[in-house]
Amino acid sequence: EVQLVETGGGLIQPGGSLRLSCAASGLTVSSNYMTWVRQAPGKGLEWVSVTYSDGTTYYADSAKGRFTVSRDISKNTVFLQMNSLRGEDTALYYCARAGRGSGWYSSDYWGQGTLVTVSS
Amino acid sequence: QSALTQPRSVSGSPGQSVTISCTGSSSDVGGYNYVSWYQQYPGKAPKLMIYDVTKRPSGVPDRFSGSKSGNTASLTISGLQTEDEADYYCSSYAGSYTLVFGGGTQLTVL
Repeated sequence: EVQLVETGGGLIQPGGSLRLSCAASGLTVSSNYMTWVRQAPGKGLEWVSVTYSDGTTYYADSAKGRFTVSRDISKNTVFLQMNSLRGEDTALYYCARAGRGSGWYSSDYWGQGTLVTVSS
Repeated sequence: QSALTQPRSVSGSPGQSVTISCTGSSSDVGGYNYVSWYQQYPGKAPKLMIYDVTKRPSGVPDRFSGSKSGNTASLTISGLQTEDEADYYCSSYAGSYTLVFGGGTQLTVL
């Protein structure tokens, strides 16, 4: 059974940094496309990033230059390092396995999300 | 990376059919056959219902179907059931290794 568990969320001041973790079981992160999607309170889904099996990562414009994805293959975990956080980054951050179908464009396994609140 | 356009809400009675539209442009929906649909209950993670415009993952009832015409994709739910009441989101590949979601549609089963 595939499980994705996100941790690391919390309350952070504007301009601060936070690192989210996504621990996977039942799948190997280094063999899959892994994506981050966020959802602001009461709002819709917003794509953040996708990481290919070779570690190459692509980002939404809103994340470029501030967010960085990394992996620890030994722990089968993906990380989202978020710097220079802003109020508009406040959201529930989901980790998901992408790759159902022809590419990485759909996600079939999702974690439960971890909440990031950026506020002074 | 502008969000795709979905109606804020749709409704239907049990047994009826409803269609949710998802309008983009030739740079996303119209340019690729990579539209997905997700169902989300309050406080829960999204669930993949349709991928690659028309395909259903195993376990998704065949009451759910997807289609696309030009820059607009659609999700049709036939034989509406009370448990279908949820939020629905479309997404599409938008080129240059980016993905865009729709704003979401709240489905009410009357």
